[in-house]
Amino acid sequence: GPKVLQIPSHQIIDMGQMVTLNCDPVSNHLYFYWYKQILGQQMEFLVNFYNGKVMEKSKLFKDQFSVERPDGSYFTLKIQPTALEDSAVYFCASSPTGPNERLFFGHGTKLSVL
Amino acid sequence: QQQVRQSPQSLTVWEGGTTVLTCSYEDSTFNYFPWYQQFPGEGPALLISILSVSDKKEDGRFTTFFNKREKKLSLHIIDSQPGDSATYFCAASVTGNTGKLIFGLGTTLQVQP
Repeated sequence: GPKVLQIPSHQIIDMGQMVTLNCDPVSNHLYFYWYKQILGQQMEFLVNFYNGKVMEKSKLFKDQFSVERPDGSYFTLKIQPTALEDSAVYFCASSPTGPNERLFFGHGTKLSVL
Repeated sequence: QQQVRQSPQSLTVWEGGTTVLTCSYEDSTFNYFPWYQQFPGEGPALLISILSVSDKKEDGRFTTFFNKREKKLSLHIIDSQPGDSATYFCAASVTGNTGKLIFGLGTTLQVQP
C-alpha cells in the first residue's frame, strides 16, 4: 500500500543544536501532519499543513518548531534550538483529500536530545 | 487529563479466541473514532473507523461498537490470530475540523498460538 517514508529513523543530537526531520509523504496526498510520542505516553498532535500553510498547531508546537514543504519535496519538521524535552518519536502522516480521511503514518523518527 | 482512555493496557488471548478492547472519551463533540493498529518498528495503520451516527461497523474479523450515551466504544476481534499481535490505538476527532486526532495510550495485544 501507499507508504510514508521518514528520514532518518534515529537522530541523536546535543541540546541546543538544530535538527530537521524529513518526511516523504504519499505522492498524491495534500494534507500533512506531525505527531509526537514520548515513551510511555500517547501520540499527540503537533501540527497539520495544507496548501503551504499551517492549518492548526497544538500547544506542543513551540516557537522553536517550524514546518515546511518547499516545492513539493520533503515535508520537514525543524526544531531550533532543541531541548531535552524534545526527545521523542516523531511520526509524520499524510492524507489524500482532507481531514478525517485515513491518515497514513510513517515509521517514525526517534529523536534523542542529549 | 486524558481525553481518550483505553483498557486494558495489555492483553493476552489464545489463538482462535475473541479479543475485546475498550475505549472511552470525554469530549461529547467528538464524532469520528478510528482504531489504528501498530506493529513494532512501524507506524500506526488505520484498521477500522466509525462515525457517531452509527453504533456498529464490521470489517472481516474486526468489529467496532459505539455507545454515544456512555461515550464508549469497543473493538472486537474474532478468531484472533498470532498475526494480530500488535498495539491498538483508539482515537477521536471532530469531523470537519483540521484532522487533529486525539489518541489513547494504546492496548498491547499478544495472541498466543
